[in-house]
Amino acid sequence: GEDVEQSLFLSVREGDSSVINCTYTDSSSTYLYWYKQEPGAGLQLLTYIFSNMDMKQDQRLTVLLNKKDKHLSLRIADTQTGDSAIYFCAESIRSRRALTFGSGTRLQVQP
Amino acid sequence: DAGITQSPRHKVTETGTPVTLRCHQTENHRYMYWYRQDPGHGLRLIHYSYGVKDTDKGEVSDGYSVSRSKTEDFLLTLESATSSQTSVYFCAISELQRGRYNEQFFGPGTRLTVL
Repeated sequence: GEDVEQSLFLSVREGDSSVINCTYTDSSSTYLYWYKQEPGAGLQLLTYIFSNMDMKQDQRLTVLLNKKDKHLSLRIADTQTGDSAIYFCAESIRSRRALTFGSGTRLQVQP
Repeated sequence: DAGITQSPRHKVTETGTPVTLRCHQTENHRYMYWYRQDPGHGLRLIHYSYGVKDTDKGEVSDGYSVSRSKTEDFLLTLESATSSQTSVYFCAISELQRGRYNEQFFGPGTRLTVL
């Protein structure tokens, strides 16, 4: 079966790095995603990683994928107050046309 | 921003009444999805469509039906609303291509309260 799990809450100080973790169970995942949801809004794609990659970097964002442990992480360097939001990881598998989302991690950035 | 609108944006209704939520897109994307968002559960897929008149169930489809008679509109109907259907409903669209990542674009959401 499919299941994507995340911790519910993370609090960091402005300027520190944030690391948000996610575990998934379906070994046939093709892509894994990080979406961001700001208050009162829908989700927006932040970044994604193909399942045969170990790492992807995009400016302040670093995605790490450990396929053996089915573990995905998102690191945000130099976290800013504007990064405060809910972050969802999600997976897609070849046989499904929809994504499976985790429960979301609320990131709170303190000044 | 992708052209996705949802209507209504807020609705309060009573138990047992029918409710229809509308999602409208201007992007001509093939795939459309309905999710509900509840605290501690993240986003859960209700139904999705992969073309006009082509729909399939998601993980929480009981009590919901959908219709898609035009590419641009995807309707979600609660035949007889219950308090457990109080939630925020999101529509999403994508142009899923074989072998490519599935970027979904989300609407602003509809907050539904069933009393």
